[in-house]
Amino acid sequence: GAGVSQSPRYKVTKRGQDVALRCDPISGHVSLYWYRQALGQGPEFLTYFNYEAQQDKSGLPNDRFSAERPEGSISTLTIQRTEQRDSAMYRCASSLERTDYTFGSGTRLTVV
Amino acid sequence: GDSVTQMEGPVTLSEEAFLTINCTYTATGYPSLFWYVQYPGEGLQLLLKATKADDKGSNKGFEATYRKETTSFHLEKGSVQVSDSAVYFCALTFGGGGADGLTFGKGTHLIIQP
Repeated sequence: GAGVSQSPRYKVTKRGQDVALRCDPISGHVSLYWYRQALGQGPEFLTYFNYEAQQDKSGLPNDRFSAERPEGSISTLTIQRTEQRDSAMYRCASSLERTDYTFGSGTRLTVV
Repeated sequence: GDSVTQMEGPVTLSEEAFLTINCTYTATGYPSLFWYVQYPGEGLQLLLKATKADDKGSNKGFEATYRKETTSFHLEKGSVQVSDSAVYFCALTFGGGGADGLTFGKGTHLIIQP
């Protein structure tokens, strides 16, 4: 596609529910990144993929968070048993070159 | 670990004023440096970047020079407009090997008054 597409744009969920956030990168982009941005803060790195391989998941805060990119294109970030502290903007970015990142519009997650 | 420190906001200026937003970094080695901008209601957009020391990135009248000696990448613009009101993020990455992904500062909210 023309840009990085994230869905849904907004998600409100009840505490304890699982959520899945989707990222559709720019066609042909090898690398895909997930970030979390709390209100008033800069984005924080969560994890990234080259093709379908997860290269680094050191930023995932705990084992409730997981991500996959099974065919090297679309990626899903899953949060199990959501907690209120998980409320944030979740951003996805893709890149072809390592210094050329394009961000999606983000998914605003609110856990109530 | 790597980190980016940028001046706290909000920064409020009048239209046509000179802008500087300070950014310094801590990293082992020589990262690539970026400024991203987030306009109200929109996503992050790359404003400019520099990939090696003494490089100057520029776009839309904004400039920043990669200063290795002072580990800085300050953002400047000679004459700001109301439309420049946004949140600006300084960031770094090593890309290419080892740890990947961007490390961001906390952001500086810029408000330009007519």
